[in-house]
Amino acid sequence: QSVLTQPPSASGTPGQRVTISCSGSSSNIGSNSVNWYQQLPGTAPKLLIYSKNQRPSGVPDRFSGSKSGTSASLAISGLQSEDEAEYYCAAWDDRLNGVVFGGGTKLTVL
Amino acid sequence: QVQLVESGGGVVQPGGSLRLSCAASGFTFSRYDMHWVRQAPGKGLEWVAFIRYDGSNKYYADSVRGRFTISRDNSKNTLYLQMNSLRTEDTAVYYCAKDGGSRQFDYWGQGILVTVSS
Repeated sequence: QSVLTQPPSASGTPGQRVTISCSGSSSNIGSNSVNWYQQLPGTAPKLLIYSKNQRPSGVPDRFSGSKSGTSASLAISGLQSEDEAEYYCAAWDDRLNGVVFGGGTKLTVL
Repeated sequence: QVQLVESGGGVVQPGGSLRLSCAASGFTFSRYDMHWVRQAPGKGLEWVAFIRYDGSNKYYADSVRGRFTISRDNSKNTLYLQMNSLRTEDTAVYYCAKDGGSRQFDYWGQGILVTVSS
């Protein structure tokens, strides 16, 4: 049982906009930045979004993040086949003194 | 370019020990906090441990506290994870990850497999 809650799956067609939700509590999302990671099969995770919707160099602006209270969302616009991957949200938890992850959302591009 | 290369994985019996290493290059290792994250086969990501840039603070997941020890040698640009009293549920790919400053993992190693089995 993950501390952060994500839907196990999401899907969309090429060009569509999809969103992935991430729900937490006051000790994690409610008081710290939410980070999003993309993991392609057989590879290490890659940072997508951090610290109030910042994107590392090389991440397309099709990816964006938002937060409201104790929930966060990752939005992917102009969906492409190469976006098919597992997506994880994460945040520091002040009560646990550690990073907590969501269980991951498998995105399928139909 | 930033590189993180893990080593030291393998197969170990339950109750055994293993030490993972993570060699860092391409950035000033001594200025950055570091983490270990693991992923059991077919499962999601699980944060394991954190160490501050100077080794002054360390935090652990409940699942490994008291059994695992994170450490670093800034003179060798290397991060370590000493794993004792290993259990079958510790079987996972272990990643070292660089902290980008806001507890985000901005760089990851390629991962190293640890298998705990009799």
